[in-house]
Amino acid sequence: GDSVTQTEGLVTLTEGLPVMLNCTYQTIYSNPFLFWYVHYLNESPRLLLKSSTDNKRTEHQGFHATLHKSSSSFHLQKSSAQLSDSALYYCALSGGSGNKLIFGTGTLLSVKP
Amino acid sequence: GPKVLQIPSHQIIDMGQMVTLNCDPVSNHLYFYWYKQILGQQMEFLVNFYNGKVMEKSKLFKDQFSVERPDGSYFTLKIQPTALEDSAVYFCASSLLGTGVGNTLYFGEGSRLIVV
Repeated sequence: GDSVTQTEGLVTLTEGLPVMLNCTYQTIYSNPFLFWYVHYLNESPRLLLKSSTDNKRTEHQGFHATLHKSSSSFHLQKSSAQLSDSALYYCALSGGSGNKLIFGTGTLLSVKP
Repeated sequence: GPKVLQIPSHQIIDMGQMVTLNCDPVSNHLYFYWYKQILGQQMEFLVNFYNGKVMEKSKLFKDQFSVERPDGSYFTLKIQPTALEDSAVYFCASSLLGTGVGNTLYFGEGSRLIVV
């Protein structure tokens, strides 16, 4: 079945350094949608960005990601981390297996001064 | 942005009792979902619901679980009877159309259920 892998459980960064959170996926569906959700403490998880277009960069709120079907990846990046970026980040997949999102285990990003 | 409201935000219940978790989805959305998150683990799909019917459910959606949305009111998840392993945060979500066409899921803040 469909699956999403996020290899880092915790990423700790100093403010101003670049962010890269890894996401790879598995699906037999040739046109999946990939999503990044951000979950701040005591709030709802909310969409950060999404894509289904191969090799096209998608950007929102300073973050960007590019879907690479050749490597089944959708890594999240930001050029300069801010303290306010500290949150839990989930990568998610909507493949061919019906109308639902399959989530990765999440990466907790902690940005320090 | 669009809001999904969940009631209660947290509840402690004795094992074997019934619990109902309520969700007020985004008003014009057509698809509704429940996800379960055990502490420290990922959000896992339980069930989705469209046009008054369960479309798909996972193996986590035990026989003791049921969902309904009577007459366009709250979308509810009922667990009867509850078990210790049902302790988790339950997230409700809704979307205008299905995720298969890239529609965004909008989540509530979750209902934390503790079964003792």
